[in-house]
Amino acid sequence: DAGVTQSPTHLIKTRGQQVTLRCSPKSGHDTVSWYQQALGQGPQFIFQYYEEEERQRGNFPDRFSGHQFPNYSSELNVNALLLGDSALYLCASSVLAGAPDTQYFGPGTRLTVL
Amino acid sequence: AQSVTQPDIHITVSEGASLELRCNYSYGATPYLFWYVQSPGQGLQLLLKYFSGDTLVQGIKGFEAEFKRSQSSFNLRKPSVHWSDAAEYFCAVGESGSGNTGKLIFGQGTTLQVKP
Repeated sequence: DAGVTQSPTHLIKTRGQQVTLRCSPKSGHDTVSWYQQALGQGPQFIFQYYEEEERQRGNFPDRFSGHQFPNYSSELNVNALLLGDSALYLCASSVLAGAPDTQYFGPGTRLTVL
Repeated sequence: AQSVTQPDIHITVSEGASLELRCNYSYGATPYLFWYVQSPGQGLQLLLKYFSGDTLVQGIKGFEAEFKRSQSSFNLRKPSVHWSDAAEYFCAVGESGSGNTGKLIFGQGTTLQVKP
């Protein structure tokens, strides 16, 4: 049973560019959450997708947007990249949004903004 | 506001010694609590979770944690540490209740170093 997968593993961009990160949830999971983990910090919630809609959003600007597809996979898009966007971006999947459920994390995408 | 505090940023223990990592949370409703472990450059792996019931929960790799509501704590313990336990450990609380998505609020993490 494949776990949560993310692509790409690493990414280097320059300021002002746009980036798209991808996530495939664990088999049987329908909810995807995205987190940003800056160096030396705990992960911070960006947003969650369920039934192809954004259900909740953390304290992140509109430059961060997402999408969920009918097969439950998800994308995170970041526009107008800033140096401060350099971080590990983690995707987590779970079974039912809003219920107390365990979130399973992927290996992450390391984004470096130069 | 909900928050999680891990008071110890860095802990060093000798291999074979016991371990306790501290976690305190601030949450108005019934908390759903988790411990995750992260090896360098990797994602997060779930060690254990508490939703309800027995306040002492067992996890993988010989870890356990005890929920103490009166102290707002969920400390992680292991009786005998192995060199492979060296990693970053994160405590998290999951939002619950109507209108919530179950998003996780993480502590800053504790780095565990194991001496041979």
